[in-house]
Order: sequence, then C-alpha cells, then structure tokens
Amino acid sequence: KQEVTQIPAALSVPEGENLVLNCSFTDSAIYNLQWFRQDPGKGLTSLLLIQSSQREQTSGRLNASLDKSSGRSTLYIAASQPGDSATYLCAVAAFSGSARQLTFGSGTQLTVLP
Amino acid sequence: GAVVSQHPSWVICKSGTSVKIECRSLDFQATTMFWYRQFPKQSLMLMATSNEGSKATYEQGVEKDKFLINHASLTLSTLTVTSAHPEDSSFYICSAKRQGLNTDTQYFGPGTRLTVL
Repeated sequence: KQEVTQIPAALSVPEGENLVLNCSFTDSAIYNLQWFRQDPGKGLTSLLLIQSSQREQTSGRLNASLDKSSGRSTLYIAASQPGDSATYLCAVAAFSGSARQLTFGSGTQLTVLP
Repeated sequence: GAVVSQHPSWVICKSGTSVKIECRSLDFQATTMFWYRQFPKQSLMLMATSNEGSKATYEQGVEKDKFLINHASLTLSTLTVTSAHPEDSSFYICSAKRQGLNTDTQYFGPGTRLTVL
C-alpha cells in the first residue's frame, strides 16, 4: 500500500526566504505526482503535476522535482510571500485501472511572516 | 474552465439525520468523480470512486450503506451520509476527471464542512 510522507509538518519563515518542502513515497511505481495548495477550510488548488517520466516542473516561483527511484519529490518556493501561507499537499497517482487514484501526504503547513 | 462546485459548502445537522452533498462539474462532463474525507490536521483520504451509470467503488473501511453515492449524470455525483453521527463530522471534498481527454488531472471542488451535533 502506497504511503506518502511530508516533512516538515509545519514551517514558518520570514518573507523573502527560499524554502523547500519534502515529500516521500514508498512505492516508486507511480504514474505522476502532484503538488496542491489548500487554504484553511477550502478545497485544493493544483500547483504542479510531474509525470513519472519527468524530473521537474516549474511554474513561476515554484519548482517541483521528482526522483522516482528514491521515492522523493521536493517543492521549491522562491522569494516566499505572505500570500504563500497555506497547507501544501503532495499526492501520487497509482497505475491501477483507468481511474488514477491519488494518495495524499498529510501536508506541510507553511506560514510566511511579513 | 474545469470548475467543480459542491453544495452545500457547510451543513450542521442533528445526530441520526441524513445529509446529501452534491458535486457538480460546471463546464465539463466527468465520467469519474472521487469523494474524499479530511479530518482536522489530516490529509485527504479517498472514500470512493464514482463512475457515471454504475455502482461506486468504495475504499476499504468505508461503509457503502452509510455513504451512499449516486452518479446519475455526467455532471453530477451525490454523497449521502445516512444516519449521521458526530464522528462523521469532517470536510468532504469531491474531484472530477474530465471526459474524453487523455489526462489524469482531477479537478477538486471547494469542499463541504459537515458538523453533526
């Protein structure tokens, strides 16, 4: 059974810092990996999706990397802003069937202090 | 595009009552919808996979008779929590896969906060 772990559980940084969020998964046979953002009491916003054949994806100040063989992914946030404060979730998609089921990590709660 | 809505956004009910939550894909057709549950400070846990016109597939440990799922059309799936109890209080989130596109992207709804008194 796939297990996804995110470290740290919570992180607080001053505005402007670059930071890295970590995600690890136990079964490397994944289809893709996604990073999501969740604001308190809200749904999920997809940030980046990395296919299993890719090593990284970039969007603006965000860069996500994937090392499938070691079961790790990182989300790099450059020049953090208070508006980046949220919980960041990573999720891996399994190969099973046509409906790719997502297994989520428990998230990293990020606070960017002004 | 690819907007998913949920209704209601929050609901408070008495123990023993049933609550229906709707998940709609507003601008696309979804052959598959997923229902997740999220307890405070925890991650999303998949409850069931709902395919249009067929029975839902439930994850291990999820009672299908308690959490009734109906995916009657390509734009609507409903989750009914029957005889709700306080331990069912949670944040319920649905997601939808777009029909016809060779993509595995799931579009998530904004969630429904259920509080059972």
